[in-house]
Amino acid sequence: QQPVQSPQAVILREGEDAVINCSSSKALYSVHWYRQKHGEAPVFLMILLKGGEQKGHDKISASFNEKKQQSSLYLTASQLSYSGTYFCGTGNSNTGKLIFGQGTTLQVKP
Amino acid sequence: NAGVTQTPKFRILKIGQSMTLQCAQDMNHNYMYWYRQDPGMGLKLIYYSVGAGITDKGEVPNGYNVSRSTTEDFPLRLELAAPSQTSVYFCASSYGRDPQSYNEQFFGPGTRLTVL
Repeated sequence: QQPVQSPQAVILREGEDAVINCSSSKALYSVHWYRQKHGEAPVFLMILLKGGEQKGHDKISASFNEKKQQSSLYLTASQLSYSGTYFCGTGNSNTGKLIFGQGTTLQVKP
Repeated sequence: NAGVTQTPKFRILKIGQSMTLQCAQDMNHNYMYWYRQDPGMGLKLIYYSVGAGITDKGEVPNGYNVSRSTTEDFPLRLELAAPSQTSVYFCASSYGRDPQSYNEQFFGPGTRLTVL
């Protein structure tokens, strides 16, 4: 079952914050976040393995609420380089297999 | 390390033709994956492999075949190409020995395929 991301698209000014949500109808074992710039391959941002886990990478952080079966990606004080499409992937414990959401396109303007 | 490499970068096929998309990784990763990405859409898993000689279907396997005879290589075969297979194909790999471990997927640069 594909996870559902919201919103589908966000437009920000530099310095503004954004939140991207990822929800699943199935119990989550792990949540992965990737960013893809136009014409390029997806690049790993972070993985959350435990319920309630929060991780950070520069000014990008994420949380994982196992009970609610959802994860959120927080982008703080956005920079132009944050522009791209963000994908969450929900993981299988035995195979490393990921099912990706449909993506959220983020555009940061000067 | 070259990471994950894919060839070719671009290819145009006629309906009914066949081809093999090559993927290789030099990171000694056990797990390898093939995804397709249609324009403006997310990544759909075609096939994956947890080790040499072991493959399994993903979300959209119809029209494709894979093999994994070595740890390094994971080719994707398209038989009887159809316009619906026009897409960008990404190969990825991850370490994956322990399901609890750090399982970042490393992606290749992609192959852009058009079927006319």
